[in-house]
Amino acid sequence: GAVVSQHPSRVICKSGTSVKIECRSLDFQATTMFWYRQFPKQSLMLMATSNEGSKATYEQGVEKDKFLINHASLTLSTLTVTSAHPEDSSFYICSASAGAAGETQYFGPGTRLLVL
Amino acid sequence: KQEVTQIPAALSVPEGENLVLNCSFTDSAIYNLQWFRQDPGKGLTSLLLIQSSQREQTSGRLNASLDKSSGRSTLYIAASQPGDSATYLCAVRGTGFQKLVFGTGTRLLVSP
Repeated sequence: GAVVSQHPSRVICKSGTSVKIECRSLDFQATTMFWYRQFPKQSLMLMATSNEGSKATYEQGVEKDKFLINHASLTLSTLTVTSAHPEDSSFYICSASAGAAGETQYFGPGTRLLVL
Repeated sequence: KQEVTQIPAALSVPEGENLVLNCSFTDSAIYNLQWFRQDPGKGLTSLLLIQSSQREQTSGRLNASLDKSSGRSTLYIAASQPGDSATYLCAVRGTGFQKLVFGTGTRLLVSP
């Protein structure tokens, strides 16, 4: 099956710093990538959707200037949490889809972010 | 706005039991429904995907059914094993857009 990787798997940073998380589709070209956030014992909440080469579409309530998303190629998307604060501590999961709406999404293993 | 609910929130069973996980959604205009498994601290593994025109899908000991008109799906796990212990999430994709809406999950514990 299709494989999506994320790096790093875990990151601890000080408040005020920026953190970049990479998401890669290893064996397919991802037309669309999705970024989710999951708080403990809660479900996944979509943060934004991005198509290669265009600006990301953010969900209501998600600050686009704080969560910068770049989908520069068909195999790589990055999420940068700028000026991170403790409330940004969460589990961030990316997902990739090869085709149009309704195509199966493949999920990465997630990145655990802890902001001190 | 689509809302997805899963019952029960947690389930503990002895090994070997057959079990049913429930998922309900408020808007029946869906494109497809997907069941996922999530192990603690890990990402999601897709188990089954049911298109809106389908009634059920099967994979090994797993069987998922879909009743779109009533807004319900069930995941049936036969002969449960300790390795089945995980959180099971259902997610619904609406027609016309790509967004998946996730349920709250069912945490399953299968004891030996």
